[in-house]
Amino acid sequence: GDSVTQMEGPVTLSEEAFLTINCTYTATGYPSLFWYVQYPGEGLQLLLKATKADDKGSNKGFEATYRKETTSFHLEKGSVQVSDSAVYFCALKTSYDKVIFGPGTSLSVIP
Amino acid sequence: DSGVTQTPKHLITATGQRVTLRCSPRSGDLSVYWYQQSLDQGLQFLIQYYNGEERAKGNILERFSAQQFPDLHSELNLSSLELGDSALYFCASSVGVGLAQEQYFGPGTRLTVT
Repeated sequence: GDSVTQMEGPVTLSEEAFLTINCTYTATGYPSLFWYVQYPGEGLQLLLKATKADDKGSNKGFEATYRKETTSFHLEKGSVQVSDSAVYFCALKTSYDKVIFGPGTSLSVIP
Repeated sequence: DSGVTQTPKHLITATGQRVTLRCSPRSGDLSVYWYQQSLDQGLQFLIQYYNGEERAKGNILERFSAQQFPDLHSELNLSSLELGDSALYFCASSVGVGLAQEQYFGPGTRLTVT
């Protein structure tokens, strides 16, 4: 069945470090891919999305490219800030409107 | 603020009881999704409604049911509650259906079953 795998962490980085959170997926057809962020005590917020192969989603300095050949959608940011500390979820959406989330990756950024 | 509201914020109840969680989608959104978030299961898709009709079903237990009303708000009913039902329940909404539709999440209802 459809699934999403991502590194679970926790990931701890110093401020201004480079961030990569790996995400790979298994799906039939051509899903859309999303990254969501959850700050402590809050609901999920959409960070970025890509709807077809080779699309690059970007927002607030974060980027991810939809790679069909490697079934991946890795999240990157060149320079993280303390305010980026949160849990990051990779997700896919199928043509049947089912949304499948990865387990989430907890990120802590220390000054 | 996503524009999606959920009530109540917290709910504490006993095993065997029944509760109703409420969700109001963003203005103009026709689609509502329900999710359960727990430490052991992660974020699980439960069910989706679009303009009053059930559209997609995920890992929703038979003890759980949902509906979307003509004013587009939705309710999730959980009955015969068990300790393992303790979780955060999120509602999300989107304008319509389809692969590219973005979902906007509410703040969640924290359910504790004792």
